[in-house]
Amino acid sequence: QKEVEQDPGPLSVPEGAIVSLNCTYSNSAFQYFMWYRQYSRKGPELLMYTYSSGNKEDGRFTAQVDKSSKYISLFIRDSQPSDSATYLCAMSQAQGGSEKLVFGKGTKLTVNP
Amino acid sequence: DAGITQSPRHKVTETGTPVTLRCHQTENHRYMYWYRQDPGHGLRLIHYSYGVKDTDKGEVSDGYSVSRSKTEDFLLTLESATSSQTSVYFCAISDSPGGGSSVRETQYFGPGTRLLVL
Repeated sequence: QKEVEQDPGPLSVPEGAIVSLNCTYSNSAFQYFMWYRQYSRKGPELLMYTYSSGNKEDGRFTAQVDKSSKYISLFIRDSQPSDSATYLCAMSQAQGGSEKLVFGKGTKLTVNP
Repeated sequence: DAGITQSPRHKVTETGTPVTLRCHQTENHRYMYWYRQDPGHGLRLIHYSYGVKDTDKGEVSDGYSVSRSKTEDFLLTLESATSSQTSVYFCAISDSPGGGSSVRETQYFGPGTRLLVL
């Protein structure tokens, strides 16, 4: 079983839809969870950062972590064509453990006008 | 791209030739990383550095070497390029090990280098 699993999609939605992107993981030591957005032919850029369990909201984006289920989600409300990109989840262990980031393979999202 | 540049941005080379990619940062971050990104594999760590002259291997280090003689520069060398090394290479920097223990210290990526080995 891979440490981080992410459905590659592709996912295609109409403008204005609510998008749900998800990752599951197997390592219960992961404490820090991130979502990166990567536009075509660009480098990944940090979108959301969450520590431990709970929700974090930033504008139209909400990151959710459920450590009991080893499951993280990114919700995009009122999706826009400019949200079309590949979304990568990433996570790492607490300090003192193996702190390298582990990435999901990414989900490609297209928002159609 | 958080003060990170990569050069060259595109390169076409032939099998068996040496290739060096450069990552340059202006953030004075201690940690630097080289990843490759391939369809179906996502981002995979090649090598990383935790200080000048301090480097270590990542998940897919075979066929690659790195050097860091200055804080701001991290070089990735393919000693004898092979077609399997055709990929997009990303450099990342962070101010903490692994780059995950706080949002301020997480990893930031450069624009990438597209390498084609014929």
